[in-house]
Amino acid sequence: NAGVTQTPKFQVLKTGQSMTLQCAQDMNHEYMSWYRQDPGMGLRLIHYSVGAGITDQGEVPNGYNVSRSTTEDFPLRLLSAAPSQTSVYFCASRSTYEQYFGPGTRLTVT
Amino acid sequence: TQLLEQSPQFLSIQEGENLTVYCNSSSVFSSLQWYRQEPGEGPVLLVTVVTGGEVKKLKRLTFQFGDARKDSSLHITAAQPGDTGLYLCAAYTGFQKLVFGTGTRLLVSP
Repeated sequence: NAGVTQTPKFQVLKTGQSMTLQCAQDMNHEYMSWYRQDPGMGLRLIHYSVGAGITDQGEVPNGYNVSRSTTEDFPLRLLSAAPSQTSVYFCASRSTYEQYFGPGTRLTVT
Repeated sequence: TQLLEQSPQFLSIQEGENLTVYCNSSSVFSSLQWYRQEPGEGPVLLVTVVTGGEVKKLKRLTFQFGDARKDSSLHITAAQPGDTGLYLCAAYTGFQKLVFGTGTRLLVSP
């Protein structure tokens, strides 16, 4: 019973490097989303998807790209990492009544 | 500016004390959710309140939705060390966007 899985758990990048944060869910949920969590800011929505092939921007989309080719997977891409993107990233998928979060990816950009 | 403001930001109390956490906004919501997050994990849904004035109880936790559906409170009776964590309120805005409050970090000492 995996739920929402995220990889990697930890990552250190240098400024300008690119990487993809992976997210997968096995609950057949149409809705998935990405959040970042910074101290004192709660969670802020980066991008979300209401189904395969459909994505939209959240509150803080700049510097991040997403795509949704399958129901199960929703990767988040950082094309050119910046120190301001140092944060903890959470992926979530949603049923009708509840949102399920993954364990998070702690990203540090130096 | 945050759509949902929580207070206090941090609360440190002794086991057995009571406490209240507030979530306020100038916007009206159709529903509001409360989550709890423990270190190194994603948030977990505690409750959803839907009707203005609604009160829901979850063991020692009491959640109330304001009459005007702009605010909510979480009251914990006889807090225990196991209640320690980050408490987040959240609400849907627009189409499918779940936004979070700034969070209240609770520490309950034995």
